[in-house]
Amino acid sequence: EAGVAQSPRYKIIEKRQSVAFWCNPISGHATLYWYQQILGQGPKLLIQFQNNGVVDDSQLPKDRFSAERLKGVDSTLKIQPAKLEDSAVYLCASSRRVGGPNYGYTFGSGTRLTVV
Amino acid sequence: KQEVTQIPAALSVPEGENLVLNCSFTDSAIYNLQWFRQDPGKGLTSLLLIQSSQREQTSGRLNASLDKSSGRSTLYIAASQPGDSATYLCAVRDETSGSRLTFGEGTQLTVNP
Repeated sequence: EAGVAQSPRYKIIEKRQSVAFWCNPISGHATLYWYQQILGQGPKLLIQFQNNGVVDDSQLPKDRFSAERLKGVDSTLKIQPAKLEDSAVYLCASSRRVGGPNYGYTFGSGTRLTVV
Repeated sequence: KQEVTQIPAALSVPEGENLVLNCSFTDSAIYNLQWFRQDPGKGLTSLLLIQSSQREQTSGRLNASLDKSSGRSTLYIAASQPGDSATYLCAVRDETSGSRLTFGEGTQLTVNP
């Protein structure tokens, strides 16, 4: 099966600018996740969707971050305005369904964001 | 709140050596534990997934064990190769945080030719 697709692979922006990342999960995977990985740390969940509904966004900085998943397939994550501390790798992942905790995750290659 | 710790943070070994990476977690009420590999600048590749009812999983030269009651998992790599050089992350999916994975900070492995 095709993997989780993410774009762009790299992005460099100045602070206070806006940026958007795109993710296409594995076909048939109802659950989609966005994780933030700061250099030297493990990934941290930002937001979780099941189909096109938000299940968990408790760790999303809502004053500057937003995400949507139209039609329960593709998803975009936006940062506006960006801060220096947002420099990180943004990882998208999908799994079959939130009701099936025994399923594993599949991650995309990530988008490396550098804010200068 | 679940916390995951990985020891050591970094490990350097000569090629051919067998090695063990350690992962511990504070809340034993987990659904499963997953080991991932991350190459520099890349995403995460799933290596092994162990369900809470299982004791171990094997894939090629990799063997992962799980002791749920003590909150520990190990990843055993046999006959290490330079191509095994990467960061290894463990993550748990527990009953109190739903589908969220809680990650450790990883072990950076270097296998020297």
